[in-house]
Amino acid sequence: DSGVTQTPKHLITATGQRVTLRCSPRSGDLSVYWYQQSLDQGLQFLIQYYNGEERAKGNILERFSAQQFPDLHSELNLSSLELGDSALYFCASSVGLLEGVRETQYFGPGTRLLVL
Amino acid sequence: LAKTTQPISMDSYEGQEVNITCSHNNIATNDYITWYQQFPSQGPRFIIQGYKTKVTNEVASLFIPADRKSSTLSLPRVSLSDTAVYYCLVGGRGSARQLTFGSGTQLTVLP
Repeated sequence: DSGVTQTPKHLITATGQRVTLRCSPRSGDLSVYWYQQSLDQGLQFLIQYYNGEERAKGNILERFSAQQFPDLHSELNLSSLELGDSALYFCASSVGLLEGVRETQYFGPGTRLLVL
Repeated sequence: LAKTTQPISMDSYEGQEVNITCSHNNIATNDYITWYQQFPSQGPRFIIQGYKTKVTNEVASLFIPADRKSSTLSLPRVSLSDTAVYYCLVGGRGSARQLTFGSGTQLTVLP
């Protein structure tokens, strides 16, 4: 158990809908990262937040957005869903900005999204 | 950007030592090398990180030659439960490249 929690575990929805994925980082971690893992594209970094501020952006679509709240939990919002958005969505957290020795990301169990 | 190249897959037998090599020809001076392990439907898990020479922890060793253009993850005496995908990441501390996972190496341990 990494200490990172994600809800829901599974989500089934239809094309065109909007969903929100939630992540609670490990206690004390200020950074939250979101990743998408689909069969054909591997693990793709989407976005990083640090202490409430957006810190780094990866291959995140405009239909997707995220935020980190004052209590440090984060939400990933996916809108106008398409079949191709079906994937595993992972959240990870770290103490800081991966600048310290042995500082690393801790991944949650993921949310499996199925768009029908 | 330091792009990494790993074998797509490897097979091994229980009890053997497994070495997975990652090439990173364009590694920068301040880049570190980090390896993660991922089981199906689970998030990646940190295994080991190093900068140069050799690093060892309770689960693996990481060998980095002097030119740092490659690195080798060594798993001693693998078991069936070591069957997983192994990712090599290269990036400087605080760099977004530390967030770039390649395709990884699928290690299958056979009985």
